[in-house]
Amino acid sequence: ETGVTQTPRHLVMGMTNKKSLKCEQHLGHNAMYWYKQSAKKPLELMFVYSLEERVENNSVPSRFSPECPNSSHLFLHLHTLQPEDSALYLCASSQDLNTGADTQYFGPGTRLTVL
Amino acid sequence: AQKVTQAQTEISVVEKEDVTLDCVYETRDTTYYLFWYKQPPSGELVFLIRRNSFDEQNEISGRYSWNFQKSTSSFNFTITASQVVDSAVYFCALSFYTGGFKTIFGAGTRLFVKA
Repeated sequence: ETGVTQTPRHLVMGMTNKKSLKCEQHLGHNAMYWYKQSAKKPLELMFVYSLEERVENNSVPSRFSPECPNSSHLFLHLHTLQPEDSALYLCASSQDLNTGADTQYFGPGTRLTVL
Repeated sequence: AQKVTQAQTEISVVEKEDVTLDCVYETRDTTYYLFWYKQPPSGELVFLIRRNSFDEQNEISGRYSWNFQKSTSSFNFTITASQVVDSAVYFCALSFYTGGFKTIFGAGTRLFVKA
């Protein structure tokens, strides 16, 4: 596989469920990102990891918990979500946060619906 | 403060028309990068172009062209002879250094190309 992959592509969950979103990049990049894209709203950066270390956390509720076990994989663990958390969750990766070569390459996203 | 403004929320054109998507940015940095991404209905953001702040040369790639003007802090994107497949949301983004490079996205412009 090439590029950035995300699974599942679609997820429907109840407010009491626990689920995880998975992202994998096959580009040899050092940085990975989670974004939330709600209808009619701009892209919201949620988390940034560089070399498996979290470098940014933009006031995201604790019901979203990221995990980066290695530079190729990124997870977003979800628990007790709210209906307003329904959105497209996009994962991205970039080569290195410390150079200008930080073009982000995106996965296809996970369309999450919280009932 | 850094900012990216895409004032056009939606644009509708008829196939074969030319269309320009505007992007105005704000930054006090002398070194920064500008990007355009395309998000088709499938959801994945596709990287189109990256420009650094020292390179004001315009670029053409097939039917796509970009006009970077530092004097007006603009990085506009023109599609010549638009096609239905160009229908998508287009995002302009700015990357700047703040202890590591950070990227912020504009709100996006939704382009409808009608046959």
